[in-house]
Amino acid sequence: DTAVSQTPKYLVTQMGNDKSIKCEQNLGHDTMYWYKQDSKKFLKIMFSYNNKELIINETVPNRFSPKSPDKAHLNLHINSLELGDSAVYFCASSSQAEQYFGPGTRLTVT
Amino acid sequence: AQSVTQPDIHITVSEGASLELRCNYSYGATPYLFWYVQSPGQGLQLLLKYFSGDTLVQGIKGFEAEFKRSQSSFNLRKPSVHWSDAAEYFCAVVPTGTASKLTFGTGTRLQVTL
Repeated sequence: DTAVSQTPKYLVTQMGNDKSIKCEQNLGHDTMYWYKQDSKKFLKIMFSYNNKELIINETVPNRFSPKSPDKAHLNLHINSLELGDSAVYFCASSSQAEQYFGPGTRLTVT
Repeated sequence: AQSVTQPDIHITVSEGASLELRCNYSYGATPYLFWYVQSPGQGLQLLLKYFSGDTLVQGIKGFEAEFKRSQSSFNLRKPSVHWSDAAEYFCAVVPTGTASKLTFGTGTRLQVTL
């Protein structure tokens, strides 16, 4: 019974490609997030959705587009991938301030 | 500027020794405070949290943390470290009144020697 799941776990692709990462939570939470962890382990929020509505949109290139088809899912689509997009991307969900994280998706752009 | 600081990038302790990881924050009002742990190749697991009330909070895996308002600190402690505690530890805050925007410190890598 995984609470927050992400697919795929690993993603290797070439520059210029478009890719998506999927996230699902079965905790019944209203809010979901995407975080990026860089090579130095620094974690930074990218987006947050509450009941399918975008509430946080940090300074992220518009090549990144989140989509929330329902409150249990938050997907991340990335267009025209660049080398600097290589990172681990974490999905999270919360009902209040406490957030629960998925296992992460390691994206490598070559 | 609002920030979360973990002064120690890397700490090494012997198995069985006590541990204290430091965290300081700089916010106008006391934020909600968290400690997360990330084992190698894994996601983040919540160890404990402080919202209000008793300033000494107990978490999972034998960890505890103490909130000290006068020092703007929320240090993580464990009386006796096990080799399996080797991981990256992150302090994080959510400013009160924000849309749960979790801001992380830079992390402290804990190495445990046998």
